[in-house]
Amino acid sequence: DGGITQSPKYLFRKEGQNVTLSCEQNLNHDAMYWYRQDPGQGLRLIYYSQIVNDFQKGDIAEGYSVSREKKESFPLTVTSAQKNPTAFYLCASSSRQTDDQPQHFGDGTRLSIL
Amino acid sequence: AQSVTQPDIHITVSEGASLELRCNYSYGATPYLFWYVQSPGQGLQLLLKYFSGDTLVQGIKGFEAEFKRSQSSFNLRKPSVHWSDAAEYFCAVGGISGNTGKLIFGQGTTLQVKP
Repeated sequence: DGGITQSPKYLFRKEGQNVTLSCEQNLNHDAMYWYRQDPGQGLRLIYYSQIVNDFQKGDIAEGYSVSREKKESFPLTVTSAQKNPTAFYLCASSSRQTDDQPQHFGDGTRLSIL
Repeated sequence: AQSVTQPDIHITVSEGASLELRCNYSYGATPYLFWYVQSPGQGLQLLLKYFSGDTLVQGIKGFEAEFKRSQSSFNLRKPSVHWSDAAEYFCAVGGISGNTGKLIFGQGTTLQVKP
């Protein structure tokens, strides 16, 4: 079945550590997105990418980095500069980066601080 | 600035009762409108979408939504709620940032279903 796979499901970060969240899709979608979800705040966009080797900052990019070396993969690194990383992280994709395309979501990664 | 408001943070309904979840957006033109549902610890699933045409759209799981331009609203409805509908519901708006595919999400409404 086609879909989006996020791993790991749970992740713990130590002080000063960078951690990387994986997102893989086999939908052959061009566009991919990373969101952060906090209780009562909905989803906030961190980064998005339209094509390989290109990505743009979203609304809350500080303390995060991404890469898009392959069409199917869009990993997110939470750096030590992100002082409040505890949240639920969702990866999404759409067939192309146009406004009429719905986004398809993975099942998320929950990141906590040790 | 463009925004999406879901006025009800938490709603409780009895099983079999009707449901309406409210969504209002702030934008001059007609945006693309979406409703998503999220079960605990999972990702979001698309329920329905509106782009143009008939203002009453049908979605999956028996849900429908009505676009009202005059009220800048896109409320989600279901005639008879099932216990499995308990989840968090998000309204999202697209088409307001230059065809970038970006969505703006509301804060979400948590639905609890009483037996």
